[in-house]
Amino acid sequence: NAGVMQNPRHLVRRRGQEARLRCSPMKGHSHVYWYRQLPEEGLKFMVYLQKENIIDESGMPKERFSAEFPKEGPSILRIQQVVRGDSAAYFCASSSEQGWSGTDTQYFGPGTRLTVL
Amino acid sequence: DQQVKQNSPSLSVQEGRISILNCDYTNSMFDYFLWYKKYPAEGPTFLISISSIKDKNEDGRFTVFLNKSAKHLSLHIVPSQPGDSAVYFCAVDKTGTASKLTFGTGTRLQVTL
Repeated sequence: NAGVMQNPRHLVRRRGQEARLRCSPMKGHSHVYWYRQLPEEGLKFMVYLQKENIIDESGMPKERFSAEFPKEGPSILRIQQVVRGDSAAYFCASSSEQGWSGTDTQYFGPGTRLTVL
Repeated sequence: DQQVKQNSPSLSVQEGRISILNCDYTNSMFDYFLWYKKYPAEGPTFLISISSIKDKNEDGRFTVFLNKSAKHLSLHIVPSQPGDSAVYFCAVDKTGTASKLTFGTGTRLQVTL
């Protein structure tokens, strides 16, 4: 039973380039969440998606950042025209349903470490 | 605004002893609380959770205590093992919908031999 997959694990971009981060949720999970962790900080919520729908994007920066979770394929977090301040670890999590029941929770992938030169 | 605070950035405990990790929160309306463990270069791993209607939840060596009047959460690990060395994050579900977690800044636990 594969866990949450993220790729690439490491991504280096120059200022002004685009970064695309991919997340494949656990099998059977239809809810995806993206978090960002800056150095020496906790994880910060960015966006919550279900298939083909953005449910909550209250943590997303207003510009340059977008996310999608298409009917087929992984969820994509896209950062356009990256700047040095975008350097961080980006984690994706998935869950099988909304709401806490039993042991259900958000399961995290290993993260993508983005470095902007 | 720091709504979830872990005031101890690091903690060192001897193997076999109890590890106590603390977390304070600001909003009494928070509904659900979780602890995650994180090793370097890996994603957080869920450890244990507690809802606001309880004050204690136990799972093996891990126990979480919730003191609602003090807005305080703690994780007890007994006995501590070297493999427990990691960064521990407390997280809260502010909305009660399991859709958005707010994390503390983490406490790095080092279990020594």
